[in-house]
Amino acid sequence: DTAVSQTPKYLVTQMGNDKSIKCEQNLGHDTMYWYKQDSKKFLKIMFSYNNKELIINETVPNRFSPKSPDKAHLNLHINSLELGDSAVYFCATTRQGTDTQYFGPGTRLTVL
Amino acid sequence: SQKIEQNSEALNIQEGKTATLTCNYTNYSPAYLQWYRQDPGRGPVFLLLIRENEKEKRKERLKVTFDTTLKQSLFHITASQPADSATYLCALDMNGSSNTGKLIFGQGTTLQVKP
Repeated sequence: DTAVSQTPKYLVTQMGNDKSIKCEQNLGHDTMYWYKQDSKKFLKIMFSYNNKELIINETVPNRFSPKSPDKAHLNLHINSLELGDSAVYFCATTRQGTDTQYFGPGTRLTVL
Repeated sequence: SQKIEQNSEALNIQEGKTATLTCNYTNYSPAYLQWYRQDPGRGPVFLLLIRENEKEKRKERLKVTFDTTLKQSLFHITASQPADSATYLCALDMNGSSNTGKLIFGQGTTLQVKP
């Protein structure tokens, strides 16, 4: 069983569209994250949710809206996509009180 | 603000040699520092964590050191194999000694082990 899964794996879309990326974890962890990895491979945190509550928002544009329907899911919705949104987006999880993060396989978003 | 720098973008070594990767931070000493491995097209995978009161940590062929005076961590892979070829990322908590889970990552060092 995959511990942290993301769908879709690849997403190609036109500028201005709205799209969603889904993340699911079966580890029973309390905290979930979204990271963005740009073309230069820098991995930057975007959001963090703990038990469905937003706890970190790293100055991400309002066009990005995370939603956590339950502890096992954290989805990322992006409105009015821009060229600069092209990147690989990773979901990650951690158990509260521990430091290790478990990453999903990533979603490669290409905005044309 | 805290910054992390991994000195080499790429490192090429011969199979069997020891690979040494460097991670430097600029500001306060973090409570811990982590190392992850990332293969192409995949998410980072946790390898080792070293706390500020630990000088060295080992796991099989991997060894990590942490020098708070130099503000540096070294990551060693002994008896390297072509299968060790990957990008290695160091990471630390953005807020120093408090565990916020808010990690900042270095840009990574891509290791290529040649047979």
